[in-house]
This record gives sequence, structure tokens and C-alpha cells, in this order.
Amino acid sequence: KQEVTQIPAALSVPEGENLVLNCSFTDSAIYNLQWFRQDPGKGLTSLLLIQSSQREQTSGRLNASLDKSSGRSTLYIAASQPGDSATYLCAVKDQAGTALIFGKGTTLSVSS
Amino acid sequence: NAGVMQNPRHLVRRRGQEARLRCSPMKGHSHVYWYRQLPEEGLKFMVYLQKENIIDESGMPKERFSAEFPKEGPSILRIQQVVRGDSAAYFCASSPPGENVYEQYFGPGTRLTVT
Repeated sequence: KQEVTQIPAALSVPEGENLVLNCSFTDSAIYNLQWFRQDPGKGLTSLLLIQSSQREQTSGRLNASLDKSSGRSTLYIAASQPGDSATYLCAVKDQAGTALIFGKGTTLSVSS
Repeated sequence: NAGVMQNPRHLVRRRGQEARLRCSPMKGHSHVYWYRQLPEEGLKFMVYLQKENIIDESGMPKERFSAEFPKEGPSILRIQQVVRGDSAAYFCASSPPGENVYEQYFGPGTRLTVT
């Protein structure tokens, strides 16, 4: 059974710092991996999607990498801003199924 | 192109009442997924539907919960005889038709409070 873990559960950094959020999954046979952002009381915004055949994806200050063999993905945020404060969720889609399997998220706080 | 729409955004029900949650997928999308986010928990898959068909309901509680996606109109998640433990945020996601279904687009969620 696929399980997704995100570490740390919470992270506080000063503005301008570069940071890395971690996601690990137990079964390397995934179809794709998605990173989402969730603001308090709001829905999910898709940030990056990495296909199983890809190693990384970039969008602006965000870079996500995928290492299937080790069951890990990282989300790198460059030059963090207070507006980046949110919960970041990692989700994988198994090849066999259709549902996304989510981690519990990392809550990021960027102080000015 | 409007995003995934969910209504109501907030719903309060007393124990024993029925809750009906609606989801209108993005235009052109024919796949709908429902997820539940309990307090302090991650999002958990509930059910996956295509028009007039339930494809995967492995995440649905066995009793009181049902879902449909009719040929016309929104997808409905129905919870009968609600209990306090049903209080959660319910999210709907949609994706386009086809075998190579990649990205799911999420709605803003319905926050259900059972008193």
C-alpha cells in the first residue's frame, strides 16, 4: 500500500532564504507526482507535475525533482517571500489506480 | 474557462440530517474525484466517477455515503444521517477524458460542520 510522507511538518524561515521541502513514497512504481499549495481555508492549487519518466520540473522560483528509485521528491523554493506562506502538499498517482495519494503536508511560514 | 466549482462552500447540518455537496467540473472534463480532508489529516480519496458511472469507490465509507455524476448537471456527494465525525472539508477534482489522464484540478472545497 502506497504511503506518502512529508518532512518537516512545519518550517519557519526569514524572507529571502532558499528552502527545500521533502516528500517520500514507499512504492516507487508511480505514474506521476504532483506538488500543490493550500492556503488556510482554501482549495488546492497545482504547482508542478512530474511524470514518472521525468527528473524535474521548474516554474518560476519553484523547482521539483523526482528520484523514483529512492522514492523521493523535493520542492525547492528560491528567494522565499511572505506570500509563499502556505501548506505544501505532495501527492502521487499509482500506476494501478486513479486516485492521488497525499502526504499530510509541510506548513511553511516566511517572515518579513 | 471557469475552474472546478463546488457549492455550498460552507454547510452546517445537525446530527441525523442529510448533506448534499455539489461539484461542477471544468468545461470539457468528464472525470470527477472526491476527496475528504479531516482535521489534522491529509486528503483521502473517496470516489472516482465518470459520466453516469462509478469507476472506483474504494475510499467511500460503506454506509451513509453515496455519489453520482449524472449525464446532465453536477456531481453530487450525499451523506445521509450525518454524525460529528463527518465534519471535514470535502474537495472535488476534475480531469479531462482520455486514457492518459495526468493532472487533476481541484475546487475550493465544501466545509461541512455537523453540530
